[in-house]
Amino acid sequence: NAGVTQTPKFQVLKTGQSMTLQCAQDMNHEYMSWYRQDPGMGLRLIHYSVGAGITDQGEVPNGYNVSRSTTEDFPLRLLSAAPSQTSVYFCASRSTGTTYEQYFGPGTRLTVT
Amino acid sequence: SQKIEQNSEALNIQEGKTATLTCNYTNYSPAYLQWYRQDPGRGPVFLLLIRENEKEKRKERLKVTFDTTLKQSLFHITASQPADSATYLCAPTGGSTLGRLYFGRGTQLTVWP
Repeated sequence: NAGVTQTPKFQVLKTGQSMTLQCAQDMNHEYMSWYRQDPGMGLRLIHYSVGAGITDQGEVPNGYNVSRSTTEDFPLRLLSAAPSQTSVYFCASRSTGTTYEQYFGPGTRLTVT
Repeated sequence: SQKIEQNSEALNIQEGKTATLTCNYTNYSPAYLQWYRQDPGRGPVFLLLIRENEKEKRKERLKVTFDTTLKQSLFHITASQPADSATYLCAPTGGSTLGRLYFGRGTQLTVWP
């Protein structure tokens, strides 16, 4: 199993550009989440999904969109990038069992100039 | 809203000593509490989960306690080694948060020889 994969690893955007961060998992997990991590702020939940077709907002959803058309994929869209969205983005997944253990991807480092 | 506090941003200890990290939470009642390890440039990795009806859980040199009255978890690493140097994150889980997982800001542990 590849686990949770994220692409790209690094990205530089200009203010106002849009892009999609890709996330995929091959563990047949129902739950998937997107986090951003900034120095001194820890991991903050952006959006999450409890299954295909079901998404909801986390702590910091503004400026981001998500969709979940398949169990495997959970892309994060930046509609109009802003310098405040410069961060490291992590995707995570877990099963619906009682272990609650989350598996994280390697992260995408995004810089918006 | 939920609030999660980890005792200090940085903890420096000598090799062989016991490291103790603290996680306090307010405004919700998690059924579980998880601890993760994060190395620089990587996603967090699950270490341990403790349930609300468990006072203590051990895994090799790791020990976690969970006091639902104090709303606190303690994470101990005994006989610490330089390889234990990393950032440790706590995540109270379950209850009203359902599919969402929120993290503390983490404590950066450095073990020096």
